[in-house]
Amino acid sequence: SQQGEEDPQALSIQEGENATMNCSYKTSINNLQWYRQNSGRGLVHLILIRSNEREKHSGRLRVTLDTSKKSSSLLITASRAADTASYFCATVQGGSEKLVFGKGTKLTVNP
Amino acid sequence: EADIYQTPRYLVIGTGKKITLECSQTMGHDKMYWYQQDPGMELHLIHYSYGVNSTEKGDLSSESTVSRIRTEHFPLTLESARPSHTSQYLCASSQNRGGWETQYFGPGTRLLVL
Repeated sequence: SQQGEEDPQALSIQEGENATMNCSYKTSINNLQWYRQNSGRGLVHLILIRSNEREKHSGRLRVTLDTSKKSSSLLITASRAADTASYFCATVQGGSEKLVFGKGTKLTVNP
Repeated sequence: EADIYQTPRYLVIGTGKKITLECSQTMGHDKMYWYQQDPGMELHLIHYSYGVNSTEKGDLSSESTVSRIRTEHFPLTLESARPSHTSQYLCASSQNRGGWETQYFGPGTRLLVL
């Protein structure tokens, strides 16, 4: 059963702009992760945020987690054409060791 | 770059053929996974393994089978391919570190069954 739901489904921006993607989930989680998938490739892990954390940074990435709203956001600052990819959130539900992925947000960064 | 490999990368095959998708990792991870992903869609877990001789079915029912005879190898087999099996198949592995799962993915196999 699908746990994460990304919003928007697709996003197109200009190089240099910021991109924000949101993820909502349904049940309690141990952690939430964001992955990137370039077209026709496997997924690459970007960042993990634990259920007791509210914000995390990694380079140009900023992730927030609001467990009361069961939502997370991924912000990519100063986007580049190379950031063009699909971005997925994934959650590890309480009591489970399996990752459950959302449908993803397709980001296009125009040069 | 993750040390997890999948072959073939692309496969076009006729209905009824038996196929095996290979997945291997050199990270010594105990856990391995197979996901099915249609274009532009989410990943669905079809098989997973927590170690040698351990295999479990995932959340999405699949006619494929898997085996885990060696830690580094987790092949997926379709005994009789059908057009409905056309999809991308992604293999992943992880090493549970205190309960926090980060998965490392292979490049995927794109399967087209005619």
